[in-house]
Amino acid sequence: DGGITQSPKYLFRKEGQNVTLSCEQNLNHDAMYWYRQDPGQGLRLIYYSQIVNDFQKGDIAEGYSVSREKKESFPLTVTSAQKNPTAFYLCASSPKGDRVQPQHFGDGTRLSIL
Amino acid sequence: AQKITQTQPGMFVQEKEAVTLDCTYDTSDPSYGLFWYKQPSSGEMIFLIYQGSYDQQNATEGRYSLNFQKARKSANLVISASQLGDSAMYFCAMREGNTGTASKLTFGTGTRLQVTL
Repeated sequence: DGGITQSPKYLFRKEGQNVTLSCEQNLNHDAMYWYRQDPGQGLRLIYYSQIVNDFQKGDIAEGYSVSREKKESFPLTVTSAQKNPTAFYLCASSPKGDRVQPQHFGDGTRLSIL
Repeated sequence: AQKITQTQPGMFVQEKEAVTLDCTYDTSDPSYGLFWYKQPSSGEMIFLIYQGSYDQQNATEGRYSLNFQKARKSANLVISASQLGDSAMYFCAMREGNTGTASKLTFGTGTRLQVTL
């Protein structure tokens, strides 16, 4: 079945450590997104990518980095510069098209600080 | 200013009854879209329904309908015949502009719906 796979489901980070969250999609979607969700809050956009080898900052990009070397993959690195990384991270994708398409989401990764 | 406002942190509804979840938005762009997503306790976001700013009729998808009042800038979700499985967080989101490939979304803070027997 087509979908978005995020791994790992749970991740723990030590102080000063970079960690990378994986996001893979087999929906052949052009655009991919990373969101952060804090408890009791909505989603906030970290980064998004419309095409391979191109990405743009969202509303809360500081302390994060991404790459888009393949259409199917959009990994997110939470760097040591992100001082409050504990959150639920959701990856999404959407197809290219003339009409508006909803974003499809993965199951998320919960990141905590040790 | 908040672009998407959901004023109901929590709602209760009895099984088989209808419930309305409120959403108001703020934009000066004439072209925009409004989405509703459901988030069960497991965490995934499930797309429910979409309304475009130029759509003449209110969107419907099965038991879900969107009460779109453009002049009031509101896009309330109506769930008919509630089921226990409808218990979840519900998020309203907006896409502004007629962007190309990417559709950047702004989300509200959500409403937690609890369906009771």
